[in-house]
Amino acid sequence: ETGVTQSPTHLIKTRGQQVTLRCSSQSGHNTVSWYQQALGQGPQFIFQYYREEENGRGNFPPRFSGLQFPNYSSELNVNALELDDSALYLCGYQVPNYGYTFGSGTRLTVV
Amino acid sequence: KQEVTQIPAALSVPEGENLVLNCSFTDSAIYNLQWFRQDPGKGLTSLLLIQSSQREQTSGRLNASLDKSSGRSTLYIAASQPGDSATYLCAVLNTGNQFYFGTGTSLTVIP
Repeated sequence: ETGVTQSPTHLIKTRGQQVTLRCSSQSGHNTVSWYQQALGQGPQFIFQYYREEENGRGNFPPRFSGLQFPNYSSELNVNALELDDSALYLCGYQVPNYGYTFGSGTRLTVV
Repeated sequence: KQEVTQIPAALSVPEGENLVLNCSFTDSAIYNLQWFRQDPGKGLTSLLLIQSSQREQTSGRLNASLDKSSGRSTLYIAASQPGDSATYLCAVLNTGNQFYFGTGTSLTVIP
């Protein structure tokens, strides 16, 4: 148990639809990052939020967007879903002196 | 751009054997390095964090070393057990805010 909760655990969407993934930390840490992991690959950085502001973004198109709320929970939104968006989406919180702790991920399948 | 390579991609060992997993990175200007374990279809479990000023960290049967100047880290697992079977990921955090992950080493420990 890492203290990071992601929801939903699995979902299936149709190409062109929109999806929202959620992430929260029990401990109220203020820095959260989102990663996309395609099958057989290492996770790729999507973006990071610190105290509700985006402070870093990877090489992902603008249809990938996010939010962080005052309680430091976070959302990842993906518009106009493509088949290649099928992946495991991971969120992680930065814990001082511990590094990052990640949730169990959301498995997104786009058909 | 930071590139992280893990060798070997897969490893199969008999129970009780000691083993070493390797990780190399191209940019030595790192903030820290973290080793993770990932079970099939699951999220990331943090194993060890090494800050850039440290040379090694130990936790139980695990020992991780860091040589920034040569761009290398190793994860040593002593007395391997079937429960150690998983994919092991090396992640480098640059002085920015982004983890760069390797593609992992898939470990199978045979009873």
